[in-house]
Amino acid sequence: QQPVQSPQAVILREGEDAVINCSSSKALYSVHWYRQKHGEAPVFLMILLKGGEQKGHEKISASFNEKKQQSSLYLTASQLSYSGTYFCGTERGYNQGGKLIFGQGTELSVKP
Amino acid sequence: GAGVSQSPRYKVAKRGQDVALRCDPISGHVSLFWYQQALGQGPEFLTYFQNEAQLDKSGLPSDRFFAERPEGSVSTLKIQRTQQEDSAVYLCASSKSRTRGDTQYFGPGTRLTVL
Repeated sequence: QQPVQSPQAVILREGEDAVINCSSSKALYSVHWYRQKHGEAPVFLMILLKGGEQKGHEKISASFNEKKQQSSLYLTASQLSYSGTYFCGTERGYNQGGKLIFGQGTELSVKP
Repeated sequence: GAGVSQSPRYKVAKRGQDVALRCDPISGHVSLFWYQQALGQGPEFLTYFQNEAQLDKSGLPSDRFFAERPEGSVSTLKIQRTQQEDSAVYLCASSKSRTRGDTQYFGPGTRLTVL
């Protein structure tokens, strides 16, 4: 079942902060976050694993609430380059090999 | 270093034609995934390979879709008798290991338009 992302879209001024949420109704093993610019490949940002391990970029932070099956991506001091569509991809516990189920995306626009 | 590459980047097909989309994963990556992305939507899983073995093809929409990775590196997604609803961007991703929780690196995709 597809995870639900919120908000669907957000507009920021440069330097402002944003939080993007991803919720699943199923038990998750991991949550993967990607940013995609129009016409380009999704770019890896962060993985959050069950048990608290995180892998990703230094300037991006995120959380994973295993009880609620929710993840949040925190974008601080936004830059123009942060603009794009953010997707969370969820990996179920029973899976082997890493099949991801993606949310519908959150479109982020950062204005000067 | 080289990332995931896909070819062609754009493909226009007439309804009923067969198409073949190629994916070159990052060298040495064990796992390879195909996803389909409709306009304005997130990627949807199609199929997954671990080396040359196709371990999951649950996302393939119909038996017109076929994927292979015969030598455990390059993969081809073939669509037979294309239909208009097949129009989408087809993304390929690879990851280093066969375990869960590994980073998937995506290619730029092939945009397929079926007329």
